[in-house]
Order: sequence, then C-alpha cells, then structure tokens
Amino acid sequence: DQQVKQNSPSLSVQEGRISILNCDYTNSMFDYFLWYKKYPAEGPTFLISISSIKDKNEDGRFTVFLNKSAKHLSLHIVPSQPGDSAVYFCAASANPGYGGSQGNLIFGKGTKLSVKP
Amino acid sequence: NAGVMQNPRHLVRRRGQEARLRCSPMKGHSHVYWYRQLPEEGLKFMVYLQKENIIDESGMPKERFSAEFPKEGPSILRIQQVVRGDSAAYFCASSPARTQETQYFGPGTRLLVL
Repeated sequence: DQQVKQNSPSLSVQEGRISILNCDYTNSMFDYFLWYKKYPAEGPTFLISISSIKDKNEDGRFTVFLNKSAKHLSLHIVPSQPGDSAVYFCAASANPGYGGSQGNLIFGKGTKLSVKP
Repeated sequence: NAGVMQNPRHLVRRRGQEARLRCSPMKGHSHVYWYRQLPEEGLKFMVYLQKENIIDESGMPKERFSAEFPKEGPSILRIQQVVRGDSAAYFCASSPARTQETQYFGPGTRLLVL
C-alpha cells in the first residue's frame, strides 16, 4: 500500500520551460512534505519542503504547492536547466506526536526529469 | 562543513557473509535514520536511532539485520548471513532533532551480494 505516489516515472522538458512534478498521498496524518533530488550513485539532496499549514513555499527557481483537500503536492522548476536532470523524490512524514509516528520519511518511487538543451 | 558520511561506498559480499555499513551524521545531529533503496524503487525506512537508543525499528527485517548508534563512533547497520536479495543501496540520514527537521542524506553504500 503506497502512501506516497509519483505516478509519472519520467518527464522530459525543454531547457527554459517549466517542469512540473506531481505527488499524491493517501495518509491524512502527513503534515510535512519534502522534495529531494538524486543523481545516479549519489544520496538524495534536499531541495525544498512545506508544512501543511502552508499551501506554497518558494526558494529561487523551485516552488512547492500543497493542496491538502486533494492530498496533492507539486514541485515547479522554472526555468528548467539541463543540470536539473535527475530523479526527483517526494517524501512525507507525520508529526512525531501523532499516531506513533517517529518522523521517518515515506518516499514515492521518484520521477526522472530530463531537461533537454 | 562535512555532511553525512557513509563508508564503504561499495561493498561486495558472498552469500552467508556479514556486511557492516557505517554512518557518521552531520556535526550537531544526534538523530540517525537508515533507508534502503531497491532498484527502480523509492527509499524505504528501516530504523531510527539516537545515541545508544533504537527509537523505531519498524522497517527492519526481523532477522539478520541490526543497527546501533553507540555513544562514541558512527552508527552501524549490520547484516548477518547476507542473501542476494539484500543487494541494494543503503542510505543514512541525519537530523538535529526528533521534530520535523529536514533529514540530510549521505552518499549511500551500495551492497552487492554474489
């Protein structure tokens, strides 16, 4: 039972255009969400996060949107650059105070983004 | 400004041998998480430790796997009597506190069981 789903295994975008990566979740106890970027043979690198009390968080070219009612979040990268080509993982956690959660992250399977020059 | 360090980066073991994976958290971080990534999959939580304590091992296989985070030294993930299905990338992450701080990941150890 996958609690965090990234339904698009891959996405191809032209350099300079917007990349939109999507993520859905099923557990209503999740209240903290993160995006990680991963290159082959490296560990995940933290990109941006959002708490459930917000619906948007922006950091430079990266913006994360959260729609709690739809249990959906998205990562927008604009403008996309060839160096953004990587696998992007969405992750979620529940507050350590709720339901026995210890704050460990639940990951989606990732979306491979290719930005073409 | 050292990040999370893991060693070895690559480890080859024959079936039945033991594998020991090490993780040193970022400076100032006292919380360590271990995750496993199988090919074409996302990362799966295994165990969460603080110094000298296992807080949550709900993701650990019941047999052959153990983890520790001693008072001094790195966290160790130990796999006894490895089998081919243990071949995976094992990532360690650390955070400064139990609250929802961002977890920062190491480069991983790629275990190959022959």
